[in-house]
Amino acid sequence: GAGVSQTPSNKVTEKGKYVELRCDPISGHTALYWYRQSLGQGPEFLIYFQGTGAADDSGLPNDRFFAVRPEGSVSTLKIQRTERGDSAVYLCASSSNGGIETQYFGPGTRLLVL
Amino acid sequence: GQQLNQSPQSMFIQEGEDVSMNCTSSSIFNTWLWYKQDPGEGPVLLIALYKAGELTSNGRLTAQFGITRKDSFLNISASIPSDVGIYFCAGQGGSGGYQKVTFGTGTKLQVIP
Repeated sequence: GAGVSQTPSNKVTEKGKYVELRCDPISGHTALYWYRQSLGQGPEFLIYFQGTGAADDSGLPNDRFFAVRPEGSVSTLKIQRTERGDSAVYLCASSSNGGIETQYFGPGTRLLVL
Repeated sequence: GQQLNQSPQSMFIQEGEDVSMNCTSSSIFNTWLWYKQDPGEGPVLLIALYKAGELTSNGRLTAQFGITRKDSFLNISASIPSDVGIYFCAGQGGSGGYQKVTFGTGTKLQVIP
């Protein structure tokens, strides 16, 4: 399809483990966003990429969280030493160039840390 | 992180009834957005508002951008079962070309057939 895709759709891990979540944006979209959605809450901004660079990473909660987008398309969100509080749905969105253009969301990765 | 205040938190309505929900913020936004999220899916944009006072419709949906730029409401007329889901408001603002989106806490809508 032509939409934003995310893998895996579900991830169960143990406390202290490392996880990687992948996002494939819409082809040609230069802007890519990661959000975290806890149960019963709205999405909370984590990081914004414009091309290959992180233009705004002010939403990353701490240094255990890191994201990359080395070729300006696919992005990976990396979480080190996972904690139970990291359990949430991680949403990725992309837009054509990061201004007021519509952000298109993927289905999310449901992360459960045991 | 900051989340906008949305009300009501949840609502049960009869099919055919009209629905109203609103969103308030302590900050001014340049754009107000309304999204719908179905279970297991990401949010989907319903309506975007770009100017204070603007009233915009999309089918049975009508939304307004408050004059103060700190609030917005969404109305759904003649509700149908497929309107079930969680509705999020979002404010978009910032300087230059980058416009950060801040989401509300959501309104869960249940429609009774």
